[in-house]
Amino acid sequence: DTGVSQNPRHKITKRGQNVTFRCDPISEHNRLYWYRQTLGQGPEFLTYFQNEAQLEKSRLLSDRFSAERPKGSFSTLEIQRTEQGDSAMYLCASSLIKGAEQYFGPGTRLTVT
Amino acid sequence: AQSVTQLGSHVSVSEGALVLLRCNYSSSVPPYLFWYVQYPNQGLQLLLKYTSAATLVKGINGFEAEFKKSETSFHLTKPSAHMSDAAEYFCAVSEGTGANNLFFGTGTRLTVIP
Repeated sequence: DTGVSQNPRHKITKRGQNVTFRCDPISEHNRLYWYRQTLGQGPEFLTYFQNEAQLEKSRLLSDRFSAERPKGSFSTLEIQRTEQGDSAMYLCASSLIKGAEQYFGPGTRLTVT
Repeated sequence: AQSVTQLGSHVSVSEGALVLLRCNYSSSVPPYLFWYVQYPNQGLQLLLKYTSAATLVKGINGFEAEFKKSETSFHLTKPSAHMSDAAEYFCAVSEGTGANNLFFGTGTRLTVIP
């Protein structure tokens, strides 16, 4: 059983640059979630997909953030014109059905300098 | 709306002592409740879940939690702490089968003293 994988694990970028993260969910899971976790806090919901459809976006997801899940498989999260406040751990999770437990990947730690 | 409060951002116990991590929730509908553990620089691992079946839930690594509706609590316990239990623990709540996402508490860092 392959778990949720995320790439890259670490990303350091300069303010104003664009970054893209990738998440590969557990293969049979049709729901995929993105969360953001800052130091000393629990994860906060950003958005989720059911198959290829993005069904909900948090107000935390500003216009600089965009997520896609083409063909309902892997997902990408892009941040344009990064700001220092974007520095955080970005976590991806997947689940089989609505309301079921979510399985998390190892996260991508973003540092904006 | 859902929310979670974890009392105590840091808990220290001696090896072999009882572990008790507190979680209180708020939910307008019957909740699903979860405990996750996070080791440094890693993602979250599910310890256990409550989904409206038995109120005493057993999880991995000897952990268990009891759902108490009257107290809106879902505290995590383990009879005897091991050094390997040192980590950050998060309680989370969702709206059950209507859930689109999880709401997490701010976490409790558990330190185990040899």
